[in-house]
Amino acid sequence: GESVGLHLPTLSVQEGDNSIINCAYSNSASDYFIWYKQESGKGPQFIIDIRSNMDKRQGQRVTVLLNKTVKHLSLQIAATQPGDSAVYFCADSVGAGTALIFGKGTTLSVSS
Amino acid sequence: DAMVIQNPRYQVTQFGKPVTLSCSQTLNHNVMYWYQQKSSQAPKLLFHYYDKDFNNEADTPDNFQSRRPNTSFCFLDIRSPGLGDAAMYLCATSRVGRSVTEAFFGQGTRLTVV
Repeated sequence: GESVGLHLPTLSVQEGDNSIINCAYSNSASDYFIWYKQESGKGPQFIIDIRSNMDKRQGQRVTVLLNKTVKHLSLQIAATQPGDSAVYFCADSVGAGTALIFGKGTTLSVSS
Repeated sequence: DAMVIQNPRYQVTQFGKPVTLSCSQTLNHNVMYWYQQKSSQAPKLLFHYYDKDFNNEADTPDNFQSRRPNTSFCFLDIRSPGLGDAAMYLCATSRVGRSVTEAFFGQGTRLTVV
């Protein structure tokens, strides 16, 4: 069943602001987490991932934070742009050989 | 350049008429997944192949079947589509060794049942 969920279904920000999208997971055995971006009519696109032996990972304009104590994952987008407008999903996996389970998405709307 | 290719992009089928969706990959990944995504919802995992091993999710209806004749191709068969099966169907691939890595998705097939 679903083990991952997001706190807010929608988030509206101004261009240039920093965005924070949150996700809570329930399976303490989850050891791999991914953030995906999905634009309308397209398949999910990989943004960034993190393993449970880390608590922070940075990419280009994006940072993922993992708090295993409270089973919380967040995606931070710096200097949000209109092109960042999309639905964002977190997903998790437990161990090797298992599939990715998606949580509910957050729709990010960026206004200029 | 497309690495995970789904055909067709749009499929219309009649109620109760069997339909097959196809997926191919050029990544040589050992795992292939099928997800169902309904409007405004998260992708829901139906099943996946780890090499030739088929892994069905517990709540996937028997109406949904899958075949993986070789590494590159995977098919989703819906034996008797109902109106509730109208959705976007997403295929994804991943390279899993000692641990899982990110899944690459195709553009999806939007299925309409009439």
